[in-house]
Amino acid sequence: GAVVSQHPSWVICKSGTSVKIECRSLDFQATTMFWYRQFPKQSLMLMATSNEGSKATYEQGVEKDKFLINHASLTLSTLTVTSAHPEDSSFYICSASRPSGSLNEQYFGPGTRLTVT
Amino acid sequence: SQKIEQNSEALNIQEGKTATLTCNYTNYSPAYLQWYRQDPGRGPVFLLLIRENEKEKRKERLKVTFDTTLKQSLFHITASQPADSATYLCALDMGYGGSQGNLIFGKGTKLSVKP
Repeated sequence: GAVVSQHPSWVICKSGTSVKIECRSLDFQATTMFWYRQFPKQSLMLMATSNEGSKATYEQGVEKDKFLINHASLTLSTLTVTSAHPEDSSFYICSASRPSGSLNEQYFGPGTRLTVT
Repeated sequence: SQKIEQNSEALNIQEGKTATLTCNYTNYSPAYLQWYRQDPGRGPVFLLLIRENEKEKRKERLKVTFDTTLKQSLFHITASQPADSATYLCALDMGYGGSQGNLIFGKGTKLSVKP
């Protein structure tokens, strides 16, 4: 089956620093990857759509200068949280899209727990 | 904007019983509706997908129904087991011009199956 990994699985950083999270599709190529954020007891909220070789598309209310997304290859997308603040503490989850007929099947990574102190 | 409600935040049932989870949405029907399982501190795992022109889908002990008139999907787990305890998420894929892959998720229902 399709496997998506994320690194790191958890990270603690100080307020004002930047953190990079990697999302990799291990056994398939993903033209499109998605980044979600999940606060406790809340639903996954789509932050941005990342397409290989082009700029990411951000959802309304998500600051593109704060959440930098790079999709440099068909198997890797990165999310950098710049100048992190405690309110950025959350569970960040990526998914990679693989076409299957008319559908785009989504395979989710295990998530990255970010804590900003 | 599209809203999704999973009516119960938590559902407790006895082992062996059938668990039924509800997902309601507003506005227009999605092209595809999906159900995921999420364990604590983990990413969602895909379970089932049902298209808007399908009434019912089954996979082993799982069954999903989709009623576009009621704007509702029901997710059933028959002969439930303690290992089925997890949070179950409903997700809509609006599917403009075919599945785009970006999903709108409900908050989930936390299912606890007691032995």
